Amino acid sequence: AQSVTQLDSQVPVFEEAPVELRCNYSSSVSVYLFWYVQYPNQGLQLLLKYLSGSTLVKGINGFEAEFNKSQTSFHLRKPSVHISDTAEYFCAVSVQSYKLIFGSGTRLLVRP
Amino acid sequence: KAGVTQTPRYLIKTRGQQVTLSCSPISGHRSVSWYQQTPGQGLQFLFEYFSETQRNKGNFPGRFSGRQFSNSRSEMNVSTLELGDSALYLCASSLDQGFDGYTFGSGTRLTVV
Repeated sequence: AQSVTQLDSQVPVFEEAPVELRCNYSSSVSVYLFWYVQYPNQGLQLLLKYLSGSTLVKGINGFEAEFNKSQTSFHLRKPSVHISDTAEYFCAVSVQSYKLIFGSGTRLLVRP
Repeated sequence: KAGVTQTPRYLIKTRGQQVTLSCSPISGHRSVSWYQQTPGQGLQFLFEYFSETQRNKGNFPGRFSGRQFSNSRSEMNVSTLELGDSALYLCASSLDQGFDGYTFGSGTRLTVV
């Protein structure tokens, strides 16, 4: 069975600093990987996805993630965060099916 | 292009009642999935429908059911509500040719009292 682990429940960071949100997954077969962001009282918004090809994936709002098959990781990065990036971030995996398995989420708290 | 629309946004029900939530997918999307989000259990997959057929189902009791109509709109129903059913219910839709992720609605916040 597939699973997703987000290693940090909360990541505090100062505005304009870089940030990395960590995500590891377990699967014995090829997977699709996703990062979603959730702002308070809203649904999930897709940040980026890895389906195949280049392991470095660029998404919206300046975020990027790197797929590392040997380490089964898909960490999310942003070189300089803004106050408006404060939100909950979810990593998810799909084994080429119409079902997403989510991690427990990481709350990014950007301080001025 | 309209996004995924969920109605109502907020709902308060009494324990033992039943509730129906509605979801209209993005035009052209025929796969619709439902997720339950709670602080304790996180985001959990309920079920997925494609062309009016349930194609995948999560590990939820039979009190949770759903259906999809010919226009791809979907409803989920929860019968005999329990306090633990209080959650944000999210609907998501996807293209029917090759899964490449879901577009989510804003959710329905259900509170059971």
